Amino acid sequence: QKEVEQDPGPLSVPEGAIVSLNCTYSNSAFQYFMWYRQYSRKGPELLMYTYSSGNKEDGRFTAQVDKSSKYISLFIRDSQPSDSATYLCAMGYSSASKIIFGSGTRLSIRP
Amino acid sequence: NAGVTQTPKFQVLKTGQSMTLQCAQDMNHNSMYWYRQDPGMGLRLIYYSASEGTTDKGEVPNGYNVSRLNKREFSLRLESAAPSQTSVYFCASSEVVSGNEQFFGPGTRLTVL
Repeated sequence: QKEVEQDPGPLSVPEGAIVSLNCTYSNSAFQYFMWYRQYSRKGPELLMYTYSSGNKEDGRFTAQVDKSSKYISLFIRDSQPSDSATYLCAMGYSSASKIIFGSGTRLSIRP
Repeated sequence: NAGVTQTPKFQVLKTGQSMTLQCAQDMNHNSMYWYRQDPGMGLRLIYYSASEGTTDKGEVPNGYNVSRLNKREFSLRLESAAPSQTSVYFCASSEVVSGNEQFFGPGTRLTVL
């Protein structure tokens, strides 16, 4: 079993829809949680960063962490074609030197 | 301010050939990383350098070596390339380890025939 599981998609939604992207994990020692966005043929870039449980909002993006269920989500409101990309969740320990990435979900927003 | 740069962008090798992937960052970061990205596998850590002068193995280090040349530069070497090393390689850097935001380069697409 992988430490971090993420549905690869692809996920296709119409412009303006609310998008929900999710990851599950097995290691309860993870303390901080990230979402990276990767456009085609580019390197990933950090989109959201949260520590421990709870919600964090940044514009149209909301990251949610439920440590009791070992489940994290990224919500995108009023989705735009420019949001079309692969979204990777990532998780880290508080004192280790690496983060574990999910395999990524490919998202397409239809105009 | 270029961020993280990688050379080359593309490379085709024959089995058994060697090559070095170069990475440099201009953000004065202490930590640098090498990942490979394969379809359905996500990003997997090959090696990392927590600070200048130190390197450690990641999840998939076999077949690779690294050198932290100075604070700016971190190279990845394939001594005898194999088709299983066909992948996209990303270099990343961060201010410190322990999961702080990592900044990624544009990647090197490597094909081993």
